[in-house]
Amino acid sequence: EAQVTQNPRYLITVTGKKLTVTCSQNMNHEYMSWYRQDPGLGLRQIYYSMNVEVTDKGDVPEGYKVSRKEKRNFPLILESPSPNQTSLYFCASSLGSAEQFFGPGTRLTVL
Amino acid sequence: GENVEQHPSTLSVQEGDSAVIKCTYSDSASNYFPWYKQELGKRPQLIIDIRSNVGEKKDQRIAVTLNKTAKHFSLHITETQPEDSAVYFCAADNAGGTSYGKLTFGQGTILTVHP
Repeated sequence: EAQVTQNPRYLITVTGKKLTVTCSQNMNHEYMSWYRQDPGLGLRQIYYSMNVEVTDKGDVPEGYKVSRKEKRNFPLILESPSPNQTSLYFCASSLGSAEQFFGPGTRLTVL
Repeated sequence: GENVEQHPSTLSVQEGDSAVIKCTYSDSASNYFPWYKQELGKRPQLIIDIRSNVGEKKDQRIAVTLNKTAKHFSLHITETQPEDSAVYFCAADNAGGTSYGKLTFGQGTILTVHP
């Protein structure tokens, strides 16, 4: 089954404790992206990647890191999480500039 | 950078009526404009998209129009049904040129269709 998976789905952590949210797709898509969704603000792009080892900043990259060492994986790293990073995070992938397939989301709470 | 404004933030209609959601964008280099539907507790899913070389696109009850000169695009849903109730997001891809992928989303419209 073609899909985008994210782990964990839910995470409660404390300020400053490094964490990684994994994202994987099995559709051989070149493009992958991370978004955060906050009430009233819609979906805001954090980082995106057009291919292996090619990443670029979205609109809200501060406090986040990404890497794209393999085509199928695009982890999101929070080196020192803060409460303002409490949000719902979505990973997405696509074949070029086309329909993006979203993962199920990761609800992160930073205390 | 790109700025996408979406209106209205909430829209309530009776079943069978039409619904229109409008978006404006700021970057004239944007060339791809998708619309996503997000049902409660679920992930966003593409419902229709349009590229800058096309003025209108239809898919059954939904249509999108694009006015490049005015930098705005709209989603039209006809004969609305209760299952159309969801949050709708517009977006603009403003990576520009041969690049792509820098998507900026609007703030979302909560559409409620009353039976």
